[in-house]
Amino acid sequence: AQSVTQLGSHVSVSEGALVLLRCNYSSSVPPYLFWYVQYPNQGLQLLLKYTTGATLVKGINGFEAEFKKSETSFHLTKPSAHMSDAAEYFCAVSEGVNQAGTALIFGKGTTLSVSS
Amino acid sequence: KAGVTQTPRYLIKTRGQQVTLSCSPISGHRSVSWYQQTPGQGLQFLFEYFSETQRNKGNFPGRFSGRQFSNSRSEMNVSTLELGDSALYLCASSLATGSSGVDTQYFGPGTRLTVL
Repeated sequence: AQSVTQLGSHVSVSEGALVLLRCNYSSSVPPYLFWYVQYPNQGLQLLLKYTTGATLVKGINGFEAEFKKSETSFHLTKPSAHMSDAAEYFCAVSEGVNQAGTALIFGKGTTLSVSS
Repeated sequence: KAGVTQTPRYLIKTRGQQVTLSCSPISGHRSVSWYQQTPGQGLQFLFEYFSETQRNKGNFPGRFSGRQFSNSRSEMNVSTLELGDSALYLCASSLATGSSGVDTQYFGPGTRLTVL
């Protein structure tokens, strides 16, 4: 079965600092990987996704992630944190494709705090 | 285009009661998935509906059920509520075009269910 591990339940950075949120996955088939962000009392918003092709994926709000098959990782980065980036971030892997269903398996989440 | 809508946003029930939650997908989206989010277990997949048929199911007891209507709107029902069912229930919709790759799931704001 596929699974996702997010290292660090809480990450704190200063405004303007590099953001690095770690995600490792396990999958017996080529994975489809996602990062979602959740602000308080809201649903999940897609930041970016990896399906096939280029391993460096650019998303919204300046975030990007790199798929590294050899390391089974899909870490999320942003060069310069902004106060508005404070939220909870979820890494997810898709368990199936189209006809088989598209259930997402989520990591436990990482809460990002940004201080001024 | 309007996003995924969920009603009601907040709900308080007592143990033993049943509850029905509603989800309206983005116009044109044919797949609806449901997830449960709790502090302890995180985000867990409940089930997915496509063309009024359940196409994928997570590991939840039979008290959790759902259905999808011909207009793609979906409802989920929880019978004989338990304290542990208190959670944020998220609905997500996707195009489900049948093409290769994985469709992006777009999440609604969720229904916060409290069981007393």
